[in-house]
Amino acid sequence: DQQVKQNSPSLSVQEGRISILNCDYTNSMFDYFLWYKKYPAEGPTFLISISSIKDKNEDGRFTVFLNKSAKHLSLHIVPSQPGDSAVYFCAASPGGTSYGKLTFGQGTILTVHP
Amino acid sequence: SAVISQKPSRDICQRGTSLTIQCQVDSQVTMMFWYRQQPGQSLTLIATANQGSEATYESGFVIDKFPISRPNLTFSTLTVSNMSPEDSSIYLCSSGGDGGAFFGQGTRLTVV
Repeated sequence: DQQVKQNSPSLSVQEGRISILNCDYTNSMFDYFLWYKKYPAEGPTFLISISSIKDKNEDGRFTVFLNKSAKHLSLHIVPSQPGDSAVYFCAASPGGTSYGKLTFGQGTILTVHP
Repeated sequence: SAVISQKPSRDICQRGTSLTIQCQVDSQVTMMFWYRQQPGQSLTLIATANQGSEATYESGFVIDKFPISRPNLTFSTLTVSNMSPEDSSIYLCSSGGDGGAFFGQGTRLTVV
């Protein structure tokens, strides 16, 4: 049972344009949602999170949108840069003392072309 | 944000042997988490490690195969026991708190 899904295995974007990465979830008990960037030889790097009581959170070039009724979230990267090329994972957390107990999506490979 | 250090960063091990992975956090944390990323797959939670109590394992993971220690609030170890080639994965520890959940750089394990 895949509770967190990233249906796009890959995304290709031109430098300077917007990258939109999508994620769907099924479990209404998730309280926080997080996005990570991962390079092959490294651990995931935390990018941005959003609480289930919010619908938007912004940090620099990264904005996460949450549509709770649709159980859908998205990460917008504007403007995209070649250094953003990596695998992006969304993750969901029950929050509270189990904040770090994450359920991950399958990941989306983002390629930003110069 | 927490800084998490893992070692070893990689290892090649013979089947049937065991490997212990160490994880150090730069601040005291209540919970630490161990994940596995199999080749081409996503990250899967193995267990939650609380200081002073037994680790809590997720479905499909057992203590005999993945014993965990948590001797204090900044340190934990995960042992991969009686290894087989199917255990070849990246193993990661993490801790969570306000603002995010942070990961070590991972241990890339190859079992031959």
